[in-house]
Amino acid sequence: DTGVSQNPRHKITKRGQNVTFRCDPISEHNRLYWYRQTLGQGPEFLTYFQNEAQLEKSRLLSDRFSAERPKGSFSTLEIQRTEQGDSAMYLCASSEGQSEVGSGYTFGSGTRLTVV
Amino acid sequence: GENVEQHPSTLSVQEGDSAVIKCTYSDSASNYFPWYKQELGKRPQLIIDIRSNVGEKKDQRIAVTLNKTAKHFSLHITETQPEDSAVYFCAASLSNAGKSTFGDGTTLTVKP
Repeated sequence: DTGVSQNPRHKITKRGQNVTFRCDPISEHNRLYWYRQTLGQGPEFLTYFQNEAQLEKSRLLSDRFSAERPKGSFSTLEIQRTEQGDSAMYLCASSEGQSEVGSGYTFGSGTRLTVV
Repeated sequence: GENVEQHPSTLSVQEGDSAVIKCTYSDSASNYFPWYKQELGKRPQLIIDIRSNVGEKKDQRIAVTLNKTAKHFSLHITETQPEDSAVYFCAASLSNAGKSTFGDGTTLTVKP
């Protein structure tokens, strides 16, 4: 499978617990993005990487969220001390990043987080 | 930051009719405008995109137009089919910025 892979597909956690999601991008893509999507809304930007460098993080994100992309390959998104408002679909995407102009994303299937 | 507004939020058409979805953006520096289709329970998929150096792009039954002066772009689907039913998202990106800002989506229903 040469697409973007995300694990787990579903995660149910109790409020206050920490969770970690993983994303494996398309191997040739050097840009990796994390978005959050809630019902009836478009994907909301969280953060993005070019290779291993985290280039931007949304100001909407609290310090409870952190992301890494060691070695510029897979990425992890961790949410500490989860709250019910964190319940959403977390989407990962990757894209080529060679040109100065943006390029389209290939999305993963997402991780659906439910905080109870 | 960039703000993208998308209209309408829902659109219902008869099979064979055309559908048009419109988006406006706020940052005149944006120069890349992709459209994604998201079927129920599935991931968004890129269906067409346009860069700011062109005004129109077509791919079979779908086309996108861009008006840089007015800062709006539109998706046109002709000869709609039931399998076109999905949520469509527009987005805008700045050169070198990487991230896309998405609209809130249009739910298109094509009635057989």
